[in-house]
Amino acid sequence: DAKTTQPTSMDCAEGRAANLPCNHSTISGNEYVYWYRQIHSQGPQYIIHGLKNNETNEMASLIITEDRKSSTLILPHATLRDTAVYYCIVRPVYNFNKFYFGSGTKLNVKP
Amino acid sequence: KAGVTQTPRYLIKTRGQQVTLSCSPISGHRSVSWYQQTPGQGLQFLFEYFSETQRNKGNFPGRFSGRQFSNSRSEMNVSTLELGDSALYLCASSLRTSGEFNEQFFGPGTRLTVL
Repeated sequence: DAKTTQPTSMDCAEGRAANLPCNHSTISGNEYVYWYRQIHSQGPQYIIHGLKNNETNEMASLIITEDRKSSTLILPHATLRDTAVYYCIVRPVYNFNKFYFGSGTKLNVKP
Repeated sequence: KAGVTQTPRYLIKTRGQQVTLSCSPISGHRSVSWYQQTPGQGLQFLFEYFSETQRNKGNFPGRFSGRQFSNSRSEMNVSTLELGDSALYLCASSLRTSGEFNEQFFGPGTRLTVL
């Protein structure tokens, strides 16, 4: 089952950075951290993934601690359209596409 | 490029009936995964198909089955429907079945209501 722990919900002011934490204390060496989000009534959308190093793309940044037991997804300038449920997923490299989504964090971006 | 399409988008059935849902992956994608989403259990993995073969399976009873065709389109079937099968069924496609990075693209889902 899901091997990640996330807060149930978080609030963020529009225009500010949203920092979403995820605990994955049992992660093993060949497991990646993925982040997806699901906007109401839509299918989940890929955001970013990483193994050891911090990663950045046009949507977000992913900060992984040195011991890899936790990570933080950063949305640098949150907008109202970023209101969604954010899922942190741990996936072994060669475990096909069996994703465990967990309960996720509901991010509420407020004006 | 067209995204993942799922048909039908909404479906109402009664207990004991069976249902077939369809998923057309993104062109060129050979892997199709199915998920069930309910308010109580969240998003749960059902199974994955790659090159017409089931590659992985979640913890669901045998009433849930699927298949994949040579054009990568996939169907899932639920027999003897129960009230608890009411859910949003999501399909996801990807290029490969494993590897370092294998982004899954999700469809809009089929909302199944069992009365």
